[in-house]
Amino acid sequence: EVQLVESGGGLVQPGRSLRLSCAASGFTFDDYAMHWVRQAPGKGLEWVSGLSWDSGTIAYADSVRGRFTISRDNARNSLYLQMNSLRAEDTALYYCAKVLKTSFWYYAMDVWGQGTTVTVSS
Amino acid sequence: QSVLTQPPSVSGAPGQRVTISCTGSSSNIGAGYDVHWYQQLPGRAPRLLIYGNSNRPSGVPDRFSGSKSGTSASLAITGLQAEDEADYYCQSYDSSLSGPGVFGGGTKLTVL
Repeated sequence: EVQLVESGGGLVQPGRSLRLSCAASGFTFDDYAMHWVRQAPGKGLEWVSGLSWDSGTIAYADSVRGRFTISRDNARNSLYLQMNSLRAEDTALYYCAKVLKTSFWYYAMDVWGQGTTVTVSS
Repeated sequence: QSVLTQPPSVSGAPGQRVTISCTGSSSNIGAGYDVHWYQQLPGRAPRLLIYGNSNRPSGVPDRFSGSKSGTSASLAITGLQAEDEADYYCQSYDSSLSGPGVFGGGTKLTVL
């Protein structure tokens, strides 16, 4: 079964850091680009960051650039999001997602995890 | 404020047809980038409904269809069912943004 499982969320104070992980299974992880998408409470989807299968292409939303770092470990079938200098507006459910096609670093996302919740509050 | 504009809400009776629009610009949909659509049921992760403007992944009923023209795209749902009540999002790529991933603001579909 193709599956993505996020972990690492929690309650954190403003200015602190958190590292999210996404464990992939059921597909050849290093064939596909991966992305992080978040959803603030009661709001819509927001693309956060993505990287190609070989980490050769990496991009961030303006709202997180310079504070968040995306990475992957293909040997461990895992995706990560290091989040520094967290702000209240980063409070959201964070999803990792797999890109549908192997030839694109950004495209439709056909597999999503259930998400991990990040709450930034003092 | 997303660069892809969707109506906040649409509604229809069971059996009817509804459409959801996604309006962009010359730097995203109008530039030829593909549009994808997702369904998000309450409390669930998004589900891919349409990719590449008009293609359905396996398992998605043919009641769902997508189209694209100019700087806009549309999702059509025919034979509306109660289980279709959900939030729907369009997604594309924007070449004018340094962070190019974009989603529409989402549309809440209510089945009357």
